Amino acid sequence: NAGVTQTPKFRILKIGQSMTLQCTQDMNHNYMYWYRQDPGMGLKLIYYSVGAGITDKGEVPNGYNVSRSTTEDFPLRLELAAPSQTSVYFCASRPQGGKDEQYFGPGTRLTVT
Amino acid sequence: DAKTTQPPSMDCAEGRAANLPCNHSTISGNEYVYWYRQIHSQGPQYIIHGLKNNETNEMASLIITEDRKSSTLILPHATLRDTAVYYCIVRGYNAGNMLTFGGGTRLMVKP
Repeated sequence: NAGVTQTPKFRILKIGQSMTLQCTQDMNHNYMYWYRQDPGMGLKLIYYSVGAGITDKGEVPNGYNVSRSTTEDFPLRLELAAPSQTSVYFCASRPQGGKDEQYFGPGTRLTVT
Repeated sequence: DAKTTQPPSMDCAEGRAANLPCNHSTISGNEYVYWYRQIHSQGPQYIIHGLKNNETNEMASLIITEDRKSSTLILPHATLRDTAVYYCIVRGYNAGNMLTFGGGTRLMVKP
């Protein structure tokens, strides 16, 4: 299993541009999450999904959108990039039941200038 | 979910036990204590979790006080590879099984 994969690893955006951060998991997990981590801080939850077709807002959803059309994929969309969205973005997944452990991807480092 | 308080940083000598404290004085009866760690710029990694009994796995031990107001994560023989930020998280039931990460403790293991 590849686990949780994220693309791209790095990206520089200009203010006002849009992009999609990709997240895929091959563990057939129901739950998926998007977090952002600003320098020196803990992770903050942006959006989460409890299964295909179901998404909900986390702590900091403004400026982002998500979709979950399949179990495997959970893309995060930035429509109008702002410097405040400069951060490292982590995707995670966890199974229904089981060990109650979230599995994290390697992260995407995004800079908006 | 209850708030947690952790020291911002700690040092430990290589080969010695690392004891990382966490205060969660407002924890309620159905809330679990989780520990994750984040090694430099990588995604966080699950370590262990518990409700009220002490727990041990291949990575660490979790000691929860009888009143559940605090806990300690123990890495029995710390290595340089254990240098990381350690997050103590308290989570009750929520629909998304969401975790709330605080600032964590930066553990530096020194030779």
